[in-house]
Amino acid sequence: KQEVTQIPAALSVPEGENLVLNCSFTDSAIYNLQWFRQDPGKGLTSLLLIQSSQREQTSGRLNASLDKSSGRSTLYIAASQPGDSATYLCARAAGNKLTFGGGTRVLVKP
Amino acid sequence: DVKVTQSSRYLVKRTGEKVFLECVQDMDHENMFWYRQDPGLGLRLIYFSYDVKMKEKGDIPEGYSVSREKKERFSLILESASTNQTSMYLCASSSLGTLRGYTFGSGTRLTVV
Repeated sequence: KQEVTQIPAALSVPEGENLVLNCSFTDSAIYNLQWFRQDPGKGLTSLLLIQSSQREQTSGRLNASLDKSSGRSTLYIAASQPGDSATYLCARAAGNKLTFGGGTRVLVKP
Repeated sequence: DVKVTQSSRYLVKRTGEKVFLECVQDMDHENMFWYRQDPGLGLRLIYFSYDVKMKEKGDIPEGYSVSREKKERFSLILESASTNQTSMYLCASSSLGTLRGYTFGSGTRLTVV
């Protein structure tokens, strides 16, 4: 069974600290790896998409890397802000199917 | 700005009612999906469609059906709502091959009483 795991499930950091969120998957045959943000009671907002031929993507303070050989992706958020508090989900796409990790709930304290 | 729009943010329905959840996308995407999200269980795929009038069962299709009569619209139908279908429902779409990733709607919080 294809699985996606995110550890830790929750993370609390002081404002200004860099965030490192981890995602691991059991099957390296992926099309792409996508990171989402979800605020409480809301839908998913796409943050970064890494296609299987790529190693990383960057957008502003966000950087996501992909290592298919080890089955890992990491989302880095530089200089965290209280507005970064949310749940972050990674999802592995293969064919027409998207498999989600359980998410990491992040709290950035002012 | 490209969008996936879910018709209702909140719905309250009675047990046994037939419930329709509507989703519309304006990106001319081939693929559309319905997920439900529950605490501790994460997001689970209910059904998806890769073309008009085509549908495929996801991981938890029991108690649900879908309809895709037009490319831009994908409906989730609860034939006879039950309390265990109280959940957050999320619609998503993607282009063929998913090379540009998935776009999600803002979700519908359904409560069945």
